[in-house]
Amino acid sequence: EAGVAQSPRYKIIEKRQSVAFWCNPISGHATLYWYQQILGQGPKLLIQFQNNGVVDDSQLPKDRFSAERLKGVDSTLKIQPAKLEDSAVYLCASSFRPGGQETQYFGPGTRLLVL
Amino acid sequence: GENVEQHPSTLSVQEGDSAVIKCTYSDSASNYFPWYKQELGKRPQLIIDIRSNVGEKKDQRIAVTLNKTAKHFSLHITETQPEDSAVYFCAASSNYQLIWGAGTKLIIKP
Repeated sequence: EAGVAQSPRYKIIEKRQSVAFWCNPISGHATLYWYQQILGQGPKLLIQFQNNGVVDDSQLPKDRFSAERLKGVDSTLKIQPAKLEDSAVYLCASSFRPGGQETQYFGPGTRLLVL
Repeated sequence: GENVEQHPSTLSVQEGDSAVIKCTYSDSASNYFPWYKQELGKRPQLIIDIRSNVGEKKDQRIAVTLNKTAKHFSLHITETQPEDSAVYFCAASSNYQLIWGAGTKLIIKP
């Protein structure tokens, strides 16, 4: 079984630039999560999708971050414009069912450095 | 909302000894408690989980205990080995969301 795929793996940009991350969840997984993990901290949920609908985006900085999952499969997360404090690893995860009560499978993450 | 606190932030144990990591949660409605292991530069991976209708669960050298009354749960690793060195995260789920602890860096001394 293929795992969660993410690209790119690394990205370096200057502040005020824009950047986009892509995630392909495990086939058949209805729920998709985007997390931000700052060095030395636990993952922080940015947005949770159930199929192509948003379940929770309460911690997404909507003035600069956006995410979509148009066909209920792949998802993209965009930052525009980026700030220095956005430097982090962006993790995508998926699970078969909704509810946050079963295993979340994580992708390898995208390591973002904002200069 | 739910809040999860995890202690200690760093734990150093001698190889072969046991390690215990503790978490407390605030929402009495939480009913699912997973533990994830994250090795340096890698993705978090589930190592064990427990649901609120169970008090203890064991998988080889790893066990998790849950005290619903006190609202705390713990990870126990026995006979620690070098490959146990990692950051361990606890989490608690209520409704549809997982709330994560800040993590414990476990160091296994040879």
